[in-house]
This record gives sequence, structure tokens and C-alpha cells, in this order.
Amino acid sequence: SQKIEQNSEALNIQEGKTATLTCNYTNYSPAYLQWYRQDPGRGPVFLLLIRENEKEKRKERLKVTFDTTLKQSLFHITASQPADSATYLCALDGYHNQGGKLIFGQGTELSVKP
Amino acid sequence: KAGVTQTPRYLIKTRGQQVTLSCSPISGHRSVSWYQQTPGQGLQFLFEYFSETQRNKGNFPGRFSGRQFSNSRSEMNVSTLELGDSALYLCASSDGLSSDTQYFGPGTRLTVL
Repeated sequence: SQKIEQNSEALNIQEGKTATLTCNYTNYSPAYLQWYRQDPGRGPVFLLLIRENEKEKRKERLKVTFDTTLKQSLFHITASQPADSATYLCALDGYHNQGGKLIFGQGTELSVKP
Repeated sequence: KAGVTQTPRYLIKTRGQQVTLSCSPISGHRSVSWYQQTPGQGLQFLFEYFSETQRNKGNFPGRFSGRQFSNSRSEMNVSTLELGDSALYLCASSDGLSSDTQYFGPGTRLTVL
């Protein structure tokens, strides 16, 4: 079955630096990949969607890349701020398999220190 | 537009009981999906309803069921609760047509004692 892996360890960076989060997947060719942000005790919030035929997508300080050959997506936050501290989840579309609507990774916790 | 709302926000039940959770999607959204989130398993898809019909289903036992009403509001029911059902239950809505961007509610924290 398909599997999604994100950095299991928390990522600690200094304010102003670029945070890079990784999402790897296996046994699947998704039509698109999404990134969400989740704060403690709250539901995930959609950030970006990138389709299989897109290499890169940007939104303000956020950038996502999608390499279907490596089966990997990278999520970058430039000029990071303490307010960016949260858990970031990647998700793949699940229509083509038994997983259902969206298959989520376990998430990577990001902590930005002032 | 108002966001996705879920009620109740917190719930404590005992083993063997059943529970019903409610979700009101964003106005105009016809798709409602339910997810279970636990520290060990992460976010897992339960099922999706679109125009009152179950369109997708995850790998959960039959104790987990749902339905959707004509106004797109959805309910999820868990019967014969087990300790392992303790989790954050999240509801998400989308238009169900053009993209699968999910708009999540705040969740219902269920504790089974």
C-alpha cells in the first residue's frame, strides 16, 4: 500500500532562516499533493496544492516543489518567524487507492526560535 | 463565509457506549469528510459524503458510520466504543468537484474511559 513519510523529528531553526520540510511517498503516483499547517488543538489549515505536472509553486514566503521521479515534495518557508511554529502535514489524493479522500503524513513539527 | 463547525468540542464516554458527532460544512460545500487523528496513527480518513451519499470509505470497522443530510450537514456515529477510539475527530468540507482542498473544523476531542 502507499506510504507517506515526513521528517519524524522536530525541526528547530532560528528566526529569519529558511525551513525545509520533506515529504516522501512510495507505491503511488498521486495526481496532486497538498500541504497543511496544524496548530495544537486545532484542525489543519490548507496552505498549498501542487499537481503532478507542476514542478514548483509559491505563495508569499512559502514554496513547494514536487519531484515525481524522486517521489518527493519539499516545503520551504523563507524568512521564518516564530509565528510559523506549528506542525506541517503533507497529504496525497487517495482516489486511486483504498485510502480514501486524502492520505496524510505524520507531520513535522517546526519550531522557530527568536 | 463561516467556517466548518463541529459539535460538541469535547466528549467523555465509557466503553460500550455510542456517540454521535455533528459537523456543519462551509455554506455551499457539498462534500464532507471525516478523519480520526491520534498521536500514534496520525490523521486517518474515515469516510466522505457528497450530496447525501457515501462516496469514499477508509479502512475502519463498521462501528464507525456516518450520514449526510440534505443541507449538507453530517453526523458521524461510533457504536460500542473502545478505549482505542479516543481521538480527535475532524470534519472537513470541500466543494467536492473542482479540487480536493479540505477545510477543516476545530474537531471533537473524544475520550473513552
